[in-house]
Amino acid sequence: GAGVSQSPRYKVAKRGQDVALRCDPISGHVSLFWYQQALGQGPEFLTYFQNEAQLDKSGLPSDRFFAERPEGSVSTLKIQRTQQEDSAVYLCASHPLEGDKTQYFGPGTRLLVL
Amino acid sequence: AQTVTQSQPEMSVQEAETVTLSCTYDTSESDYYLFWYKQPPSRQMILVIRQEAYKQQNATENRFSVNFQKAAKSFSLKISDSQLGDAAMYFCAYRATNTGNQFYFGTGTSLTVIP
Repeated sequence: GAGVSQSPRYKVAKRGQDVALRCDPISGHVSLFWYQQALGQGPEFLTYFQNEAQLDKSGLPSDRFFAERPEGSVSTLKIQRTQQEDSAVYLCASHPLEGDKTQYFGPGTRLLVL
Repeated sequence: AQTVTQSQPEMSVQEAETVTLSCTYDTSESDYYLFWYKQPPSRQMILVIRQEAYKQQNATENRFSVNFQKAAKSFSLKISDSQLGDAAMYFCAYRATNTGNQFYFGTGTSLTVIP
């Protein structure tokens, strides 16, 4: 179908609040990735799913970060007890299992923690 | 760990001229992919061009081409006949073929196109 979609596009949270960021990958894309992009930096890997299995979560910066993809399609990145250093753009990307290794990115969610 | 370095934080080019963005990377892998992504102010990352390391021929996509030097671990992007719409952040990215799936990105180059 259409490209990768993410919601909300912008989120303002007070420090200590929990937030949930949603990613809807391209239909049929088995692999899904979350990245964190700080201002003026390149994206940095957070976690990776293949279908519903979270195969790599080595990039999650703390146990306040949690991601899930229970049915192998939509994914949610949850940040508990947000801190100011969590302010960033969170990018989701997907690609099919075989063939094209290009990752297709969503527009991102800009999170600002006050 | 793989690292990707973009040593030019900012570049500018006159409209219709040619500009080259630099990228170097460090890896012990022999098989991998390299990418250039464009990120306009809207923040949607868009693939510009892709190179597979086992291919000796440099990739080209219309006005965009790469100079891939595997031994030097260099992967530069050349934009010919620059257009105003080319203004954006450009990120170089690396992905190993057989070990993991994540991309490693450089810190980006901000390209300004001067009318």
